[in-house]
Amino acid sequence: KQEVTQIPAALSVPEGENLVLNCSFTDSAIYNLQWFRQDPGKGLTSLLLIQSSQREQTSGRLNASLDKSSGRSTLYIAASQPGDSATYLCAGPFSGGYNKLIFGAGTRLAVHP
Amino acid sequence: GAGVSQSPRYKVAKRGQDVALRCDPISGHVSLFWYQQALGQGPEFLTYFQNEAQLDKSGLPSDRFFAERPEGSVSTLKIQRTQQEDSAVYLCASSLERTGYNQPQHFGDGTRLSIL
Repeated sequence: KQEVTQIPAALSVPEGENLVLNCSFTDSAIYNLQWFRQDPGKGLTSLLLIQSSQREQTSGRLNASLDKSSGRSTLYIAASQPGDSATYLCAGPFSGGYNKLIFGAGTRLAVHP
Repeated sequence: GAGVSQSPRYKVAKRGQDVALRCDPISGHVSLFWYQQALGQGPEFLTYFQNEAQLDKSGLPSDRFFAERPEGSVSTLKIQRTQQEDSAVYLCASSLERTGYNQPQHFGDGTRLSIL
């Protein structure tokens, strides 16, 4: 059974810090790895999608990497801002999964001024 | 166009009642997914449609859960004889292409279901 684990479960940092959120998965047969943001009471907003043939993707202050062999992905947030406060979830579809996503439990991020 | 729309946003029902949750995917999206999210957890897969065909329902917790997408657009998730453990947020997502491995899934805001 595929499992996705996210560390840390929660993080509180002052504004301006650079952050690394970790995601690990047990099955290396992953088609892509997607990072989402979830605000309280809201659905999920897709941030970055890394295809299995890629090693990283960048969007603004966000950079995500994927290492299939070690079963790890990281989301790097540069110069964090209070508006970045949210829960960050990683997920991937695995072989035979019809693109159904297996999610980690998320990292709850709080960035204080 | 508009994003994925779900209704109602909130639903309170008494134990034993039937409920129906609606999802309007992004126009033209072939794939549609339902997920269940318990408090403090990541979403868990329930079922998947490709157009009107339900290709995977392995995540449905019991035979009280039923989903349909009769015309390949709007989908309804129905829960019969609700129980307290059904309380959760139900999320719908759609993606553009059939295989979708390189297509992101776009999520609605969910329906928060509370069973009393």
